[in-house]
Amino acid sequence: ELKVEQNPLFLSMQEGKNYTIYCNYSTTSDRLYWYRQDPGKSLESLFVLLSNGAVKQEGRLMASLDTKARLSTLHITAAVHDLSATYFCAVDIGGSQGNLIFGKGTKLSVKP
Amino acid sequence: DAGVIQSPRHEVTEMGQEVTLRCKPISGHNSLFWYRQTMMRGLELLIYFNNNVPIDDSGMPEDRFSAKMPNASFSTLKIQPSEPRDSAVYFCASSLLLVREGTDTQYFGPGTRLTVL
Repeated sequence: ELKVEQNPLFLSMQEGKNYTIYCNYSTTSDRLYWYRQDPGKSLESLFVLLSNGAVKQEGRLMASLDTKARLSTLHITAAVHDLSATYFCAVDIGGSQGNLIFGKGTKLSVKP
Repeated sequence: DAGVIQSPRHEVTEMGQEVTLRCKPISGHNSLFWYRQTMMRGLELLIYFNNNVPIDDSGMPEDRFSAKMPNASFSTLKIQPSEPRDSAVYFCASSLLLVREGTDTQYFGPGTRLTVL
């Protein structure tokens, strides 16, 4: 059974600081997704990582994938309050089913 | 495209009543997913469909829950009878599944906030 673990689950950081959220998964997968959810809102797709070594960047967020280590990271650079949200990683279980397994999410709070 | 459409956005009902949640996926997508999100249990996959066929309903909590997808543009999730513990936000998501390449990004609808009194 594929398990997806995120850490930390809660992260409080100051504006201007850098931090990394980690996503570990338990079986082989070549596809990993990062989503953002604002309070009371739906999930919004941030990044799709499709191969080993893939790196995607959007503004102050950068995501990477190491399929050999079964690890993805979401790095936050010089955090700002607008980044406060819950971030989920999700792993494609592969095959022809199209199912994603989601982590529990990391609730990020950026304080001035 | 309007994205994934869900209705109603909010539903308040009394215990024992039947509840029907509706979803219209993005046109052209061939996979549809129903999720439930609560503070205690997080995001749970209830059931998903490929080409209108249910593939895995192991996440459906009990027989009170049922889902249908009569055509490529419409799905329903029904709870009968509803119970207070069913209170949650229910999300529908859709994606394009390519057999060789795998699944594309899942796009989520705005959700239905269900409160069962």
